[in-house]
Amino acid sequence: EIVLTQSPATLSLSPGERATLSCRASQSVNSYLAWYQQKPGQAPRLLMYDASNRATGIPARFSGSGSGTDFTLTISSLEPEDFAVYYCQQRSNWMITFGQGTRLEIK
Amino acid sequence: QVQLQESGPGLVKPSGTLSLTCAVSGVSISSGNWWSWVRQPPGKGLEWIGEIYQTGATNYNASLKSRVTISVDKSRNQFSLRLTSVTAADTAVYYCARDLGQWLARGYFDYWGQGTQVTVSS
Repeated sequence: EIVLTQSPATLSLSPGERATLSCRASQSVNSYLAWYQQKPGQAPRLLMYDASNRATGIPARFSGSGSGTDFTLTISSLEPEDFAVYYCQQRSNWMITFGQGTRLEIK
Repeated sequence: QVQLQESGPGLVKPSGTLSLTCAVSGVSISSGNWWSWVRQPPGKGLEWIGEIYQTGATNYNASLKSRVTISVDKSRNQFSLRLTSVTAADTAVYYCARDLGQWLARGYFDYWGQGTQVTVSS
């Protein structure tokens, strides 16, 4: 089973700042990685897939990069609605795993 | 628009069986997508449970495989989850979700239900 490790666990930033979230895989997942945003009491929302493709309706301030074992989700300029928990996720060998999440909080 | 809605008992006794259904609307469950169940224990992260295709083909999380069955009912446009021998560790919000891949499961979930809380307690 591929383990995804996200860092930092918590990120404290202010609106307008740039956010950089990391996800590291225990072995290569090529570019088969997704990012989700989850707000309290809501289902996760797909942001990125295949590491760098924005899902339908996702604003351009969200971008993803990486391949192999190291991936990054960048939010170029934080809006108030971006403060949430973010999860990375991968699929390989008929198994899907998620990272433990990064909480993005208002500083 | 695509909508998913989970339903089922909110309380299950220890050693009992958890049964949930996901009703799909706005798209046929035979449209070529795979359909999954994902759960989230209170205050914790997400765990994939398993997936099913319109043909009935399934894949399960290895850690739950011995206790999980996912089935599809094409006539009702819904799919279901059955988890046996439950314990308090199975207490979670359970989500159903659609894989955005066509024919081939990609593992990316573009539509989700709102989730249903299931508590395992006597």
